[in-house]
Amino acid sequence: EDQVTQSPEALRLQEGESSSLNCSYTVSGLRGLFWYRQDPGKGPEFLFTLYSAGEEKEKERLKATLTKKESFLHITAPKPEDSATYLCAVQAAYNTDKLIFGTGTRLQVFP
Amino acid sequence: DADVTQTPRNRITKTGKRIMLECSQTKGHDRMYWYRQDPGLGLRLIYYSFDVKDINKGEISDGYSVSRQAQAKFSLSLESAIPNQTALYFCATSDRSGQGAGDTQYFGPGTRLTVL
Repeated sequence: EDQVTQSPEALRLQEGESSSLNCSYTVSGLRGLFWYRQDPGKGPEFLFTLYSAGEEKEKERLKATLTKKESFLHITAPKPEDSATYLCAVQAAYNTDKLIFGTGTRLQVFP
Repeated sequence: DADVTQTPRNRITKTGKRIMLECSQTKGHDRMYWYRQDPGLGLRLIYYSFDVKDINKGEISDGYSVSRQAQAKFSLSLESAIPNQTALYFCATSDRSGQGAGDTQYFGPGTRLTVL
């Protein structure tokens, strides 16, 4: 069964304390892996798409990486405004109609 | 202006009432989706449509129906609402980006629905 697991469920960081969020997936042929940011009560906001192992993408303090089994979202020197829930989703090559979402990592960054 | 809009943003209703949630987009995308989000369960797909003549069930379509009135409009209906349909509902759109590439979905702001 295709599955996406995100860890940790919640993460508290001091401002400036770098860390990583993990997204592990099992899917029969990966077409794409997606990272989203979601603020409370709002819709997910697209961050990155990764297509193949070894690929990396960066945006401000965020960097996403991809291997054959997992993806990491690295947060460098986070600020309080980075506080949000980060969602990971995968699209299988055999079924491109749908995205399979993880349950997210809730990040809190304290000043 | 937002690319994907949803109305209403909040709705409280009673068990047994018929409810319609509406989604409009100005992105020019062909594909539209309806999801619900519950704490601890993540986003789950209800229905999706690849054009005005194409409607497909997602993983949790029971109790819901949809209508694709135009390329830019996709509505979700709850024919007889029940309390366990209380959730956040999101509309999303995507446009196939080309051979070998994934389909990024762009989400609306959501509708918070409470069924009493």
